[in-house]
Amino acid sequence: DAGITQSPRHKVTETGTPVTLRCHQTENHRYMYWYRQDPGHGLRLIHYSYGVKDTDKGEVSDGYSVSRSKTEDFLLTLESATSSQTSVYFCAIRLVPSYNEQFFGPGTRLTVL
Amino acid sequence: RKEVEQDPGPFNVPEGATVAFNCTYSNSASQSFFWYRQDCRKEPKLLMSVYSSGNEDGRFTAQLNRASQYISLLIRDSKLSDSATYLCVVNMPASGTYKYIFGTGTRLKVLA
Repeated sequence: DAGITQSPRHKVTETGTPVTLRCHQTENHRYMYWYRQDPGHGLRLIHYSYGVKDTDKGEVSDGYSVSRSKTEDFLLTLESATSSQTSVYFCAIRLVPSYNEQFFGPGTRLTVL
Repeated sequence: RKEVEQDPGPFNVPEGATVAFNCTYSNSASQSFFWYRQDCRKEPKLLMSVYSSGNEDGRFTAQLNRASQYISLLIRDSKLSDSATYLCVVNMPASGTYKYIFGTGTRLKVLA
């Protein structure tokens, strides 16, 4: 257990509304990641962070923004949700120094109507 | 060609059987390799990291073949509780850094 929580765990929202998902970790990990998982695709990286205020884009970052103002919280924002953003979102941390193992939060199931 | 490829299955095996999964990867400069287990509607959980010399954890054995660019997972004496989707993950170079690339998973069903 890497001490990762995600909130909310489930959310239903309407197209065009802003949505923020929160990832919280208690063990001072430097690296944090946001992924989405959809049928027929492996987990795909949205954004990641390598420290407070240090973030970078992943392969599917369009329509998403992130913020990390403190070590323990990594926020993912959908500025104007679309139905194509209906997905399961997982947050992860990376162990350093280590073999680079990642550990995942329990996920947020988001439905955009 | 996908960067990480897995047979989606499902692999249906009886209890007690031995089953093996392979996963191929495209980038020979890949650095780290992992097998994760994912149960339905749950998060991926690390099953094993895969080291160059191969490694074993109880009924599970992982191998890395850099020459042929694949990793494997062997499960011996399958249990009903092994039924899950197994994800192959490779840490490979991308745009000046390293990224984790996930396979789409192999479904395993262990039958009583």
